[in-house]
Amino acid sequence: DAKTTQPTSMDCAEGRAANLPCNHSTISGNEYVYWYRQIHSQGPQYIIHGLKNNETNEMASLIITEDRKSSTLILPHATLRDTAVYYCIVRGGSSNTGKLIFGQGTTLQVKP
Amino acid sequence: NAGVTQTPKFQVLKTGQSMTLQCAQDMNHNSMYWYRQDPGMGLRLIYYSASEGTTDKGEVPNGYNVSRLNKREFSLRLESAAPSQTSVYFCASIGRSFGRDTQYFGPGTRLTVL
Repeated sequence: DAKTTQPTSMDCAEGRAANLPCNHSTISGNEYVYWYRQIHSQGPQYIIHGLKNNETNEMASLIITEDRKSSTLILPHATLRDTAVYYCIVRGGSSNTGKLIFGQGTTLQVKP
Repeated sequence: NAGVTQTPKFQVLKTGQSMTLQCAQDMNHNSMYWYRQDPGMGLRLIYYSASEGTTDKGEVPNGYNVSRLNKREFSLRLESAAPSQTSVYFCASIGRSFGRDTQYFGPGTRLTVL
């Protein structure tokens, strides 16, 4: 699975959009980009994933560059409850098989 | 539908003792995973099971054994616990439910080895 690079930490003002970048320059054609977050000491929570098209769900939007070497997770209106560690993971296959390897992630601090 | 359940929630062991961490999922997922997370660190994959009857090593398998008892259950065993195994252990399951990919993590087991 391709490795990812994320900033160690970011701040965001409450109510503003939080844009979390991720580089995955060695991604291969059949690998998906997944985003998870972990709030305090809870188990990680799945946010969104995509292959090459932009994706949106009730939690966030995922923008993947045309060359697929980087992506951005967007939380459109960040709240204090979005303060968490966000993990970008590249994984082969859409489900059922393959390792899910976590990196160090980005600690997002949402401030009032 | 309880998602992923883990038992116990907390455990204290003495060096050399053995124990089994239990994980169960009720979403009919094929893949299940065990991770450990040390304080201030990210999650590291110990073992995973892509389907019933199969298991594979992850990043840090030494000192652990696993058993995929059936599709629902995936247990992690520490045969001889060491202080270096003090950590929070998370189980996860990944699969397809309700026509889309879903993945869930359990609440974790907090293990201290003295």
